[in-house]
This record gives sequence, C-alpha cells and structure tokens, in this order.
Amino acid sequence: EDQVTQSPEALRLQEGESSSLNCSYTVSGLRGLFWYRQDPGKGPEFLFTLYSAGEEKEKERLKATLTKKESFLHITAPKPEDSATYLCAVLATRSNDYKLSFGAGTTVTVRA
Amino acid sequence: GAVVSQHPSRVICKSGTSVKIECRSLDFQATTMFWYRQFPKQSLMLMATSNEGSKATYEQGVEKDKFLINHASLTLSTLTVTSAHPEDSSFYICSAGGGYNEQFFGPGTRLTVL
Repeated sequence: EDQVTQSPEALRLQEGESSSLNCSYTVSGLRGLFWYRQDPGKGPEFLFTLYSAGEEKEKERLKATLTKKESFLHITAPKPEDSATYLCAVLATRSNDYKLSFGAGTTVTVRA
Repeated sequence: GAVVSQHPSRVICKSGTSVKIECRSLDFQATTMFWYRQFPKQSLMLMATSNEGSKATYEQGVEKDKFLINHASLTLSTLTVTSAHPEDSSFYICSAGGGYNEQFFGPGTRLTVL
C-alpha cells in the first residue's frame, strides 16, 4: 500500500525565515509526485509535479525537489501570504485509475 | 492550469433530505473525475472515481447507495448525498485530471446537515 508522510505537521515562521517541508513516500514505482497548496475553506491549488529523482521545479518563493524516497518543498524568504496547508500526493506506476495518495499536509503560518 | 468549478459552495439542509453537488470542468474534457471529502484539519479522503458514461468506482467503506455519482458528460459530474444525516456534514471536493498528470481541484462544497 502506498504511504505518504509529511513533516512537520505544523510550521510557524517569521517573515523572511526560510524553511523546508518534507514529504516521504513509499510506493511501488513512482509515476509522479504532486504538491498542492490549500487555503482554509478552499480546494487545493496545484503547485508542482515531479516525475523523476533529481528533478527540481521553482515558482516564486517555492522550490520543490525530488529524491527516490522523499520530496522537499523549500520556502525562501516567506511572506504572510504563503501561509497555507501544503499537501503532497503520489501517483503509482501500477495505478491504472489515476488515483492519488495524499499526505496529511503541513500547515505553514508566516508571521509579519 | 485547468479550471474546475463546483456548485453550490455551501449548502445547509435538514436531516433526511438529499443534496446534489455539481462539478464542472470549464476548459477541458474530463473522462475521469474524482470526489473527495475532507474533515476539519484532516487531509483529503477519496470517495469515488467518476467515469464518463459508466458506473463510478467507490472506495472501500463508501456507501454507493448513499453517495450517488453521475458523470453524464465530459464536463459534468454530480454527487448526490441521499437521506443526509449530520454525520455527512463535511467539505466535499471534486477534481478532474489529465491521466498521469496533475489533477485540478474545484473550490469545494461545504455541506451542513442539521
């Protein structure tokens, strides 16, 4: 069974204080790893897709990296508007039905 | 990215009534859509996979007679919560995807059953 574990559960940052979120996964063949941002009371917003170890993607203050066992989401010089819950999900190669397995998320709070 | 809408965004109903939630993909055709529910401070739990023109596939533990799914066109899937009870109160979210690529999520529907 696919497993996705995110840490820490919650992260409090001062504005400008860079940090990283971790997503560890166990899957029988990774087809893709996805990062989403979710604001309270809203649906998840797509951020990144990573397909192979060594791949990196960036968007504004966010950078996602991937190894064979985990992915990191780096937040550089965060601002209060970066406060959200960040979700990680994986899609297995054996999956013919495109179902994602989600982690529990990391809730990030950035104080001004 | 692709745009997915949901309607209504909020609904309050009395116990025993049925509620229909619509999910639309606005700028692409989706042969597959997914329905999730999310309890406070928890992650998304997949309820079912909605397939255009065929029966939905439900996850273990999800009552198919209670959560009716219809995917009548390539842009519309509906979830009907039948005979809703307070324990069905939750945040329901749909998504549509590009196969092995990213899924795009709707804004969610907050259901409150009194």
